[in-house]
Amino acid sequence: GNSVTQMEGPVTLSEEAFLTINCTYTATGYPSLFWYVQYPGEGLQLLLKATKADDKGSNKGFEATYRKETTSFHLEKGSVQVSDSAVYFCALSDTGGGNKLTFGTGTQLKVEL
Amino acid sequence: GAVVSQHPSWVICKSGTSVKIECRSLDFQATTMFWYRQFPKQSLMLMATSNEGSKATYEQGVEKDKFLINHASLTLSTLTVTSAHPEDSSFYICSATGTRNTGELFFGEGSRLTVL
Repeated sequence: GNSVTQMEGPVTLSEEAFLTINCTYTATGYPSLFWYVQYPGEGLQLLLKATKADDKGSNKGFEATYRKETTSFHLEKGSVQVSDSAVYFCALSDTGGGNKLTFGTGTQLKVEL
Repeated sequence: GAVVSQHPSWVICKSGTSVKIECRSLDFQATTMFWYRQFPKQSLMLMATSNEGSKATYEQGVEKDKFLINHASLTLSTLTVTSAHPEDSSFYICSATGTRNTGELFFGEGSRLTVL
């Protein structure tokens, strides 16, 4: 079956540091890949997505590239801000779509001044 | 973005009682809603998918009689945990997709259930 593996948190960074949160997946076919973010007290929000190999999703300075050869979708940001503190979830939906998502365990990011 | 709201955000109940959690789409019609369960430091696990006016489709291993899901209108789905026990304590999250958008999922804030 499908699975998503994320690096464990929490991750603590200083403001303006470079961020990488690793995500690898196991799936049959050609899944779509997503990063969701959950700010304190709020629901998960779609941050970015990629639907095919070599696609790069980007939003709010965050980027992730769909790497089929390494089955990875690592999240990166060049300079984090305190406001980026949240929990980040990597997820995939299988080829059949239908919005059924398989999530990783989530990685908590804390950015300090 | 579209808003999905859950209520209550947290609930404490005694073992053996039933608890209902509501999931509402506030500004769009949710044709499909999903219910997830999240244990500490674990993934969100899909429990069931519900389409408005139809019976919910449960994932393997989820007890239908334990977790009753109703999606009677295009803006409301409910999850009822029947005869709750301490092992049912968890964080329950709903998401919805529908008529408003390109199929993007919108998530509620989650409901934390503690069964004593």
